[in-house]
Amino acid sequence: GIQVEQSPPDLILQEGANSTLRCNFSDSVNNLQWFHQNPWGQLINLFYIPSGTKQNGRLSATTVATERYSLLYISSSQTTDSGVYFCAVTEYGNKLVFGAGTILRVKS
Amino acid sequence: EAGVVQSPRYKIIEKKQPVAFWCNPISGHNTLYWYRQNLGQGPELLIRYENEEAVDDSQLPKDRFSAERLKGVDSTLKIQPAELGDSAVYLCASSSWTGEAGAQEADTQYFGPGTRLTVL
Repeated sequence: GIQVEQSPPDLILQEGANSTLRCNFSDSVNNLQWFHQNPWGQLINLFYIPSGTKQNGRLSATTVATERYSLLYISSSQTTDSGVYFCAVTEYGNKLVFGAGTILRVKS
Repeated sequence: EAGVVQSPRYKIIEKKQPVAFWCNPISGHNTLYWYRQNLGQGPELLIRYENEEAVDDSQLPKDRFSAERLKGVDSTLKIQPAELGDSAVYLCASSSWTGEAGAQEADTQYFGPGTRLTVL
């Protein structure tokens, strides 16, 4: 099956700093989503981005489907950005395959 | 618009006991998914429903797990009997996926808050 690798596995930032999270996948995909899992366990949709670039406030994402990677940018980080960021791609039939996640800690 | 609703939020049971989880998807979403998330890992699909039909249950441990989606709306996931290794968060998601090429945003899956199961 398709493999999804995320990096870095852990990241500690000072409030106000910027960061880039990466997601590599092993095969072509129809769907790619970025999620933020908050400390209470809720998975929050950030982007549906099988290709191209999208921006939402301080967050933006770019997927280069031909090179099989996606990047999530977080600018001017805040403590509320802390949590786990997951990249997930569809393998078939809209089954999402998740990466292991990036644990982000933003310190004030 | 209400999101995906799950209950209970937490459940603690003794091993060998049965347990059931309930999910109400977003109104109008035809596709429903159950995922299991072990500690420190990403969620993994257990079963996917299109309306009332289970179209992908290849990852569901059928000896002890069962699921149903009566009338193509709410769904119940059951474990009987539970084992220590079943301790995890069980997540329900829904989408309005049609399988059509270029459906784009309809493919987006929305997740409920999950049920955290602890088996003692």
